Amino acid sequence: QKEVEQNSGPLSVPEGAIASLNCTYSDRVSQSFFWYRQYSGKSPELIMSIYSNGDKEDGRFTAQLNKASQYVSLLIRDSQPSDSATYLCAVNVGGSYIPTFGRGTSLIVHP
Amino acid sequence: GAVVSQHPSRVICKSGTSVKIECRSLDFQATTMFWYRQFPKQSLMLMATSNEGSKATYEQGVEKDKFLINHASLTLSTLTVTSAHPEDSSFYICSARNPTSGGYEQYFGPGTRLTVT
Repeated sequence: QKEVEQNSGPLSVPEGAIASLNCTYSDRVSQSFFWYRQYSGKSPELIMSIYSNGDKEDGRFTAQLNKASQYVSLLIRDSQPSDSATYLCAVNVGGSYIPTFGRGTSLIVHP
Repeated sequence: GAVVSQHPSRVICKSGTSVKIECRSLDFQATTMFWYRQFPKQSLMLMATSNEGSKATYEQGVEKDKFLINHASLTLSTLTVTSAHPEDSSFYICSARNPTSGGYEQYFGPGTRLTVT
């Protein structure tokens, strides 16, 4: 089992809808979780970090963490075509300060 | 947040030559920086961890003699691709963590696209 897993997609949603991106991880002792956005041909950009169970909201983005079920998700409300990108989940596996990245989920928001 | 810069953003070189890529933390001191490589439509691959004042730690399968890393100051790490070949053509990205932030967030530079002809 891979340490950090994401569905590669593409996930296609209409403009204005909620996009839901999911990530599962294998190591129960992981404590730090991140979502990055990567536009084609560009480097990753940090969107959210979450360390505690529950929800964390920042603008149109909400990260949800469930350590018992070992998943972290990212919700994007009122999706815009400009949100179309690959979203990378990263987890500090085993307490390491070096994150392990998932392969990313491609999101397409169509007008 | 934190700002990380890279130079050059794009480089084309001939096979057999060496290329140096610089990574700088602009508004914080980074004792540790990371070098990644990404091939088209593939995921990020960690190449090495660069530690200020000491040797870099390379991931399995990464040739340390080919990818030379120097982290001579708290704000600068360099990656030198020696004797580059076409298969080294890739997108090279550095990242750093701001140790004063209290968290483990990684901030990425804009990347360097290397093309070896």
